[in-house]
Amino acid sequence: GAVVSQHPSRVICKSGTSVKIECRSLDFQATTMFWYRQFPKKSLMLMATSNEGSKATYEQGVEKDKFLINHASLTLSTLTVTSAHPEDSSFYICSAENRGQLNYGYTFGSGTRLTVV
Amino acid sequence: AQSVTQPDIHITVSEGASLELRCNYSYGATPYLFWYVQSPGQGLQLLLKYFSGDTLVQGIKGFEAEFKRSQSSFNLRKPSVHWSDAAEYFCAVGAPGTASKLTFGTGTRLQVTL
Repeated sequence: GAVVSQHPSRVICKSGTSVKIECRSLDFQATTMFWYRQFPKKSLMLMATSNEGSKATYEQGVEKDKFLINHASLTLSTLTVTSAHPEDSSFYICSAENRGQLNYGYTFGSGTRLTVV
Repeated sequence: AQSVTQPDIHITVSEGASLELRCNYSYGATPYLFWYVQSPGQGLQLLLKYFSGDTLVQGIKGFEAEFKRSQSSFNLRKPSVHWSDAAEYFCAVGAPGTASKLTFGTGTRLQVTL
């Protein structure tokens, strides 16, 4: 149980275009999801907290107009990188909070490798 | 603010040897504590977690961790390492309660020699 599906796993896009990454909780409802960015050989940096039905909360220094987050249902959050540039190339990982009493915790997606050329 | 320190960036052990990965945290009370493992190009897999109760926590793949309040530590251990354990290991801390943000350590890369 507690599976999070993240798609796509890899994407290459041209500079100036937008890319959407999906994060789905498959067998539980996730009121809260989190989006992280990971640089090579580095730790995870929290970008934003996504709450179902409300606006996302962004961490300091993260451009909310560039990284659009939508959490329209209890099982789906999306991250759209708008007007992507090469410096946006990175590994993006989502996480969903599972509030089940027996298995409370945070389940991570398998990540998306974004390359902007 | 909460923080996590993983003092060992890189550790190499021989297959069959024991392993201990260190994790120290800074938080005003007892936080939620997690250990995750990440293989190259993959997401994070939960090894174990501590919320309260017994301070020795058993996880998957033969891992265990011990919460020591006096030392603000949550070290990960395994009595006998397998080659397949080679990966990046992250310790994380979160405030008790729902929707809390996790703060991750910088990670420890484990290399296993045959």
